[in-house]
Amino acid sequence: SQELEQSPQSLIVQEGKNLTINCTSSKTLYGLYWYKQKYGEGLIFLMMLQKGGEEKSHEKITAKLDEKKQQSSLHITASQPSHAGIYLCAAPLIRNFGNEKLTFGTGTRLTIIP
Amino acid sequence: DTEVTQTPKHLVMGMTNKKSLKCEQHMGHRAMYWYKQKAKKPPELMFVYSYEKLSINESVPSRFSPECPNSSLLNLHLHALQPEDSALYLCASSQDQVLANQETQYFGPGTRLLVL
Repeated sequence: SQELEQSPQSLIVQEGKNLTINCTSSKTLYGLYWYKQKYGEGLIFLMMLQKGGEEKSHEKITAKLDEKKQQSSLHITASQPSHAGIYLCAAPLIRNFGNEKLTFGTGTRLTIIP
Repeated sequence: DTEVTQTPKHLVMGMTNKKSLKCEQHMGHRAMYWYKQKAKKPPELMFVYSYEKLSINESVPSRFSPECPNSSLLNLHLHALQPEDSALYLCASSQDQVLANQETQYFGPGTRLLVL
């Protein structure tokens, strides 16, 4: 099973609607990152959550971290075509000093219908 | 400026060719990374350089050879690749490798590689 599971795998939403993407970890979370990727392109950093209960917003995107549940959610309000893409959560699940690396979630493909 | 640049954008090579991918950042970051991403899959870490020294090698085949000539540049030398190596190769950098300090990794646009 995946260490960072995202749901849903894909999402088709009408423009203007709200949506939520979830990221659940099988291990303790020591912070979590959200990235967005357009098909075949690099990853765009959205935001980083550092501790439990933290909530951050950027434009119409809000992310929360629930450390106890080992879960994070990404919420988009009043979606626009520019929000379309693949959303990836990532977390440093390996904590050995000098051997730390990011593990990525399974990804959520978001399509916005005009 | 949080820009990481990669060249070339696209690369087609035969199994006997030797080619190199290049990555550059001018943010003063001391950790640089190579990831491989297959279609519809998340990125998978290949190598990490920290302060110009190879820090992590995720058991990558020797036909991939990383090089960090200086703190701003990261190369990936390719030789005798297989068709299954076709993928998007992403470079990233962060201030430091120690993720416990919540260092953000910034990614380049990637090189799309096709091995024939």
